[in-house]
Amino acid sequence: DIQMTQSPSTLSASVGDRVTITCRASQSISSWLAWYQQKPGKAPKLLIYKASNLESGVPSRFSGSGSGTEFTLTISSLQPDDFATYYCQQYNTYRYSFGQGTKLEIK
Amino acid sequence: QVQLVESGGGLVKPGGSLRLSCAASGFTFTDYHMSWIRQAPGKGLEWVSCISSRGSAMYYADSVKGRFAVSRDNAKNSLYLQMNSLRAEDTAVYYCARVRDIFGDPFDYWGQGTLVTVSS
Repeated sequence: DIQMTQSPSTLSASVGDRVTITCRASQSISSWLAWYQQKPGKAPKLLIYKASNLESGVPSRFSGSGSGTEFTLTISSLQPDDFATYYCQQYNTYRYSFGQGTKLEIK
Repeated sequence: QVQLVESGGGLVKPGGSLRLSCAASGFTFTDYHMSWIRQAPGKGLEWVSCISSRGSAMYYADSVKGRFAVSRDNAKNSLYLQMNSLRAEDTAVYYCARVRDIFGDPFDYWGQGTLVTVSS
């Protein structure tokens, strides 16, 4: 199975900051990577698919990059609504797997 | 608008069974592959199972293979997860989700989840 590792596990930042979250796959997954945002008590929300494609309705301050085994999610200017937990997910095979999550906290 | 509503969760003893349902609306259910994902309390997301649009292909995580069975009734716009031989580690919120486009794509819509607690 493909293991996904995110870093950092927790990130403290301020409104207006630019932040980057990294996700590494245990083997190449080409560009078959998605990013989700989850707020407490809510279902995850798809932000980005195929490593860099913004899902409809997602603000343009979110961007994704990478291929192979290393990927990043960048938020260009943090807004109050962005403080949440972020998960990467590989879908190179039908046996999906998620990273352990990165909690983005207010500094 | 797309809506997915899970039901059927609750408290069950170890070794017991439970059947979850997911009622879909706001889209043509027969056109979409579907999936179940779970989240243990305070933990991350774990994919559980997926099923193709016509129900002909199904996949499972190793942790549930042989114990859980996914199915769908396209006439009722419903997705199901039959869970047998439940264990304490199956305790989680279970989400149903729609596969975005082709089989194997990520999940673009999720339900609100239903909590399953396995405890004596």
